[in-house]
Amino acid sequence: DAGVIQSPRHEVTEMGQEVTLRCKPISGHNSLFWYRQTMMRGLELLIYFNNNVPIDDSGMPEDRFSAKMPNASFSTLKIQPSEPRDSAVYFCASSDRGGIDTQYFGPGTRLTVL
Amino acid sequence: SQKIEQNSEALNIQEGKTATLTCNYTNYSPAYLQWYRQDPGRGPVFLLLIRENEKEKRKERLKVTFDTTLKQSLFHITASQPADSATYLCALLSGGGADGLTFGKGTHLIIQP
Repeated sequence: DAGVIQSPRHEVTEMGQEVTLRCKPISGHNSLFWYRQTMMRGLELLIYFNNNVPIDDSGMPEDRFSAKMPNASFSTLKIQPSEPRDSAVYFCASSDRGGIDTQYFGPGTRLTVL
Repeated sequence: SQKIEQNSEALNIQEGKTATLTCNYTNYSPAYLQWYRQDPGRGPVFLLLIRENEKEKRKERLKVTFDTTLKQSLFHITASQPADSATYLCALLSGGGADGLTFGKGTHLIIQP
């Protein structure tokens, strides 16, 4: 298995632009998580899906952030409009028993908003 | 508020010695605690999981303890090697009902040859 796949690996955009991050979880996993990592705040959970249904989005910073999981093999995290403070590394992770079991992380997308 | 604390300063250990990392938490009653390793430019990698009713868990040179009274977990690497140099993150099962993990900020471990 190729593991969790994220794209793009790096994204540089200007303030106000729309940004879409993509994730393909490990086949057969039924839980998908989006995290954001910064030096100041560490690794923070943004949103969590179970069987393609959003379970908890309380970590999403504001309405500019949205996430979808249209099927078991694909999820997107969208920021519209983007702001410089959104600059961070965004990780996607998947597991087959929610947070109880091992979470497998993707390589991350490094987002820079100018 | 819920808080997870890990030593934010880098930990320097001589090769061959045992490295011990600490994870303290407050206002949590976690059922599970996990430890992850993160290398620069990469995502975290799972190492060990310990349940609240387990005092200790071992895997090769790694050992984790979990004291729910002290609200503390210790992570040990015995016979440390330079390749063990990385940032180590502890994570608790979120107490908010979600199954997402709440992570500490991690401790940067440096094993010096």
